[in-house]
Amino acid sequence: AQSVTQLDSHVSVSEGTPVLLRCNYSSSYSPSLFWYVQHPNKGLQLLLKYTSAATLVKGINGFEAEFKKSETSFHLTKPSAHMSDAAEYFCVVSSRSGGSYIPTFGRGTSLIVHP
Amino acid sequence: DGGITQSPKYLFRKEGQNVTLSCEQNLNHDAMYWYRQDPGQGLRLIYYSQIVNDFQKGDIAEGYSVSREKKESFPLTVTSAQKNPTAFYLCASSIDPGYRAYNEQFFGPGTRLTVL
Repeated sequence: AQSVTQLDSHVSVSEGTPVLLRCNYSSSYSPSLFWYVQHPNKGLQLLLKYTSAATLVKGINGFEAEFKKSETSFHLTKPSAHMSDAAEYFCVVSSRSGGSYIPTFGRGTSLIVHP
Repeated sequence: DGGITQSPKYLFRKEGQNVTLSCEQNLNHDAMYWYRQDPGQGLRLIYYSQIVNDFQKGDIAEGYSVSREKKESFPLTVTSAQKNPTAFYLCASSIDPGYRAYNEQFFGPGTRLTVL
């Protein structure tokens, strides 16, 4: 069985300071991992994905994430937060379940950015 | 423009009524998904379809029904059997029917359903 845990339901930062959104996963097989962003009342947009190539993955809008197998983690970071980063962020694991791959979503982390 | 469209954006329903949410994609994707989103609960999978004329139940299928008669369309019906249907509903698609783990999903803008 696969699962994903986002360790914080809310993260609050000041504009210009670093962002860290934490995600741990559980998977029986080598997983693919994703981070999506959702602005209020909108659909989700892919930020980045890990597919067993490089462990440090760079995404859009200055975000990056590092896959650490020993820690079963895939934390999302950004060096300097911008007001436009305020949104809901979802960590997703996709690994084999039966005959196909079905994504499993974390509960989300709400990022609040203060001026 | 390629993408996923959902309509309507807002939908109001009286208790006891069935209502159908539309989802259309022109990305030529094989797989389509319906999710329900409630505050603090992330996205929960209602139904998914990997190929035309076939679909599977997700984690919370009770009170919902779907059809996949065309590759580009995957409508969701919320029936009167769904006891708490007020939520934000998201449709997604993926190029691959689930054979590869690394294909991301593309999401529509969502439909907010409110039961009066």
